[in-house]
Amino acid sequence: NAGVTQTPKFQVLKTGQSMTLQCAQDMNHNSMYWYRQDPGMGLRLIYYSASEGTTDKGEVPNGYNVSRLNKREFSLRLESAAPSQTSVYFCASHFNRAGLDEQYFGPGTRLTVT
Amino acid sequence: KNEVEQSPQNLTAQEGEFITINCSYSVGISALHWLQQHPGGGIVSLFMLSSGKKKHGRLIATINIQEKHSSLHITASHPRDSAVYICAVNLPGNAGKSTFGDGTTLTVKP
Repeated sequence: NAGVTQTPKFQVLKTGQSMTLQCAQDMNHNSMYWYRQDPGMGLRLIYYSASEGTTDKGEVPNGYNVSRLNKREFSLRLESAAPSQTSVYFCASHFNRAGLDEQYFGPGTRLTVT
Repeated sequence: KNEVEQSPQNLTAQEGEFITINCSYSVGISALHWLQQHPGGGIVSLFMLSSGKKKHGRLIATINIQEKHSSLHITASHPRDSAVYICAVNLPGNAGKSTFGDGTTLTVKP
């Protein structure tokens, strides 16, 4: 199992450019999440997908869109990047069954918007 | 006020010391997670708790549901334990969404 994978690991964008962050998990988890982490702040939920075909806004969804392409993949798109979106982005998947409740995180994407 | 409060915010210890990091939360939860994040690194889930106590190697996590409080203990601390430790809670029926504390930065000096 590769767990949760993210691409790219690093990205620099100019203001106004667009890009898609890719996330995939091979653990057959139903739930997937996109978080951002900023210095001095905790992880904040951008969007989540409780199951294939569904997506919902989290705490800080403005400026982002998501797509749950299939059970494995959950992508995050920045249509017009802004410097305020400079952050580290983490994708995660969640497993909850028979008393087990586990989260697995991807390695993160470090995004800089100039 | 954050629903999840961690203390201390920063902690420096000497190698070998016993370390305690605390997490308090203000809502009913279905589960609490302790996560570890090394500098520049990814996030690893250490424990999931819904009651009682769990132990893994030198790490021990406890939770008191009535008091809405959890602690993470590290015995015989080592410099490689230096990391940010994050407490996260899942609310019941909330599709596994977590609310995170701001983290405790632990530095263990040799």
